[in-house]
Parts: sequence; structure tokens; C-alpha cells
Amino acid sequence: GAVVSQHPSWVICKSGTSVKIECRSLDFQATTMFWYRQFPKQSLMLMATSNEGSKATYEQGVEKDKFLINHASLTLSTLTVTSAHPEDSSFYICSARGYISGSNEQFFGPGTRLTVL
Amino acid sequence: SQKIEQNSEALNIQEGKTATLTCNYTNYSPAYLQWYRQDPGRGPVFLLLIRENEKEKRKERLKVTFDTTLKQSLFHITASQPADSATYLCALDKDTGGFKTIFGAGTRLFVKA
Repeated sequence: GAVVSQHPSWVICKSGTSVKIECRSLDFQATTMFWYRQFPKQSLMLMATSNEGSKATYEQGVEKDKFLINHASLTLSTLTVTSAHPEDSSFYICSARGYISGSNEQFFGPGTRLTVL
Repeated sequence: SQKIEQNSEALNIQEGKTATLTCNYTNYSPAYLQWYRQDPGRGPVFLLLIRENEKEKRKERLKVTFDTTLKQSLFHITASQPADSATYLCALDKDTGGFKTIFGAGTRLFVKA
């Protein structure tokens, strides 16, 4: 089956630093990638949608200058949390959509736990 | 705005029984609805998708129903096992042509041996 990987799986950083999270589709080309954030015991909240080679579309309330998304290829999207603060500590999950076996399915990565001290 | 509601209370059942989880939605008419499983500290794993013109879908011990009049989906796990213990998420795709998926908060299921 299709696999989506994320790197790193966890990261701890100091307040004010920037953190980059990678999302890769390992065995399929992702036409669209999504980034979610999940706080403990809460739902996954969609942050942004990105298509390869174009600017990401951010959901209402998500600061595009703080959460930089780059989707440079059909298999890689990156999320950079700039000038991270403790309130940015969360579980970040990416997903990728691609045409597999004639169906446009969505597959999720394992998530990245970000802790900002 | 679109809302997805799942029972926030954990569901505790005995091994071998059928677990039934509920998903209600408002202000929305989705073309299809999905159920995912999420284990602690992991990303969601797709389980089943049911379309608006389907009343019921089955996969092994899983069964999903979709009532577009009631705006409700029920997710059943028959002959439940302790390994089924996880959080189960209901998800709808935003009908924007961009295939954005929005999730309910999930229901935590505990299956006791």
C-alpha cells in the first residue's frame, strides 16, 4: 500500500527557533498534500493544502508567514514553523493524495511531535 | 459552519461484544464519509469509506452505515478484541473540489479482555 513518511518523528526546540518538518510520499506521486495539527484529545485541524509547484492554501486563522509550506516536488512537502513558541507545541500530521489503482485516495503520515521550550 | 460531532466520552466494552460509535454532522451534505483509526502518538489509518448513495458498507468485522436524512453515520466493530482499542475518527471531505478532509474529535474505544 501507499506510504507517507514524516521526518523527524519528534523534535524539541527552543523558543524563537525555526523547525522544518518533511513529508514524503514514498511509492506514489502526491497531487496534493495537506498539513494538520492536533492538540491532545482534540481533532485533527486542517492547516493548509498544497499542490506541487504552487502556493499553499491556508485555512482561516492559520498564519501563512509563521507556517511556511513548500511543495517542491510530487513526493515532498515541507512545513517550517518559524520563530516557534511554546503554544506551537503540537502533533503535526501530513497527508498526501494521489491516484492509486484508479482511485484518488488520501494517506496519512505518522506525525511529528513538536515541543517548544 | 460545518460541524462533525462524535461522542467525546470513551466507550468501554467487553471483548467479544459489538462496539457502536456514532458520528453526526451538521450544515453539510458530504458526498462521502470516512472512518479512521488513530493510535496514541500516530497518524490516522484509513478504515472505510461510504458514499452518499450507499446505506451500508462492510469490511471484515467492520460495518458502517450512512443515513443522509439523519446526517449520521454509525460505525460497528463486531466480535471486538483488545487490539481494537484506539480512537476512531469520523471524517468528511469538504465539497470544494480540493478534496479537503475535516475530522471529528474522535471516540476513544477500550475493549477489555
